Amino acid sequence: EAGVAQSPRYKIIEKRQSVAFWCNPISGHATLYWYQQILGQGPKLLIQFQNNGVVDDSQLPKDRFSAERLKGVDSTLKIQPAKLEDSAVYLCASSQEREGSNEQFFGPGTRLTVL
Amino acid sequence: QKEVEQNSGPLSVPEGAIASLNCTYSDRGSQSFFWYRQYSGKSPELIMSIYSNGDKEDGRFTAQLNKASQYVSLLIRDSQPSDSATYLCAVTGGFKTIFGAGTRLFVKA
Repeated sequence: EAGVAQSPRYKIIEKRQSVAFWCNPISGHATLYWYQQILGQGPKLLIQFQNNGVVDDSQLPKDRFSAERLKGVDSTLKIQPAKLEDSAVYLCASSQEREGSNEQFFGPGTRLTVL
Repeated sequence: QKEVEQNSGPLSVPEGAIASLNCTYSDRGSQSFFWYRQYSGKSPELIMSIYSNGDKEDGRFTAQLNKASQYVSLLIRDSQPSDSATYLCAVTGGFKTIFGAGTRLFVKA
């Protein structure tokens, strides 16, 4: 079974530029998560999709971040314009649809550096 | 504000010893509890899940849950240098999962 795929693995941009990340979850996983992980901290949920609907985006900075999951499969996270403090690893995870039991499987992540 | 708290460490143990990692959570309605291992520069990897009070063993790993005390722990027996990593505690209530900041473990050869 293929795992969660993410691309690109690394990205370096200058502040005020835009960037997009792509994620393809494990086949059959209805729930998809985007996390931001800053060095030394735990993953912080940005947005959670169930199929193609948003379950939680309370911590997504909506003035600059956007995400979509068309057709309930793969997803794209965009930052526009980027700030220095957006430098982090962006993790995508997926899980089966099961309330109270969210065993999540993570992709390799995208390391973003904003200069 | 729902929280998951972990001691950031580092926790240093000699090879062959038992490593004990602890986690407390604030939401009494939490239903599922997970431990993830994260090597430096890598993404988190699920190693244990526990849903009811008591102990759950899987190889060298034992997860312990006490819902009354809102406490979950992970024991690693016969610790190996390859166990050196950050261990993340995650707690789920409904469809929402919150991660702790992680405890760094060093196993000295």
